[in-house]
Amino acid sequence: GEDVEQSLFLSVREGDSSVINCTYTDSSSTYLYWYKQEPGAGLQLLTYIFSNMDMKQDQRLTVLLNKKDKHLSLRITDTQTGDSAIYFCAEWSGSARQLTFGSGTQLTVLP
Amino acid sequence: EAQVTQNPRYLITVTGKKLTVTCSQNMNHEYMSWYRQDPGLGLRQIYYSMNVEVTDKGDVPEGYKVSRKEKRNFPLILESPSPNQTSLYFCASSLDGFRGYAFGSGTRLTVV
Repeated sequence: GEDVEQSLFLSVREGDSSVINCTYTDSSSTYLYWYKQEPGAGLQLLTYIFSNMDMKQDQRLTVLLNKKDKHLSLRITDTQTGDSAIYFCAEWSGSARQLTFGSGTQLTVLP
Repeated sequence: EAQVTQNPRYLITVTGKKLTVTCSQNMNHEYMSWYRQDPGLGLRQIYYSMNVEVTDKGDVPEGYKVSRKEKRNFPLILESPSPNQTSLYFCASSLDGFRGYAFGSGTRLTVV
């Protein structure tokens, strides 16, 4: 079945850029997403990218999609302590009409 | 305020005692889903619904039931809970599935 993989942990210094990576296997994925989960809260949709796009930028967030390698990344510039959270990559499979999540990357921002 | 509301936020129950977790959305969304979140496993879909009276199994449906009698409500039913269903549960809704889901705040269930 479909699989979405992420590394579990990432630590960065405040002010640095963070890059969170994700790989997926479903070639029929049409949309790919990044969600943020803060402690004790639900998931918040940060951004999404359509599979025919290579890049999407939204303020401090940049999403890069390499469809050939099935690789998605989220770059956060000028990372702040408020960015500390778990970040989930997810893919929407048009054929299965399902959203499949990765296991999440815990981002820790150090002062 | 547009939102997905789940209740209760926390629940401790005993093995075998039937329970229902309610979910309601006020955004007139067609799609609704239930997920469970376990450490290191991310979110796994339990059931989803694309419209009223239309439900389908996700990746981990065993031990769960759902119903979609009205567009706004999508309750999750555990007929006979077991300790392996101890988890954090999320309800989510979406207008059309692919434009992203809005999530509830979660229900932390402990089955002893």
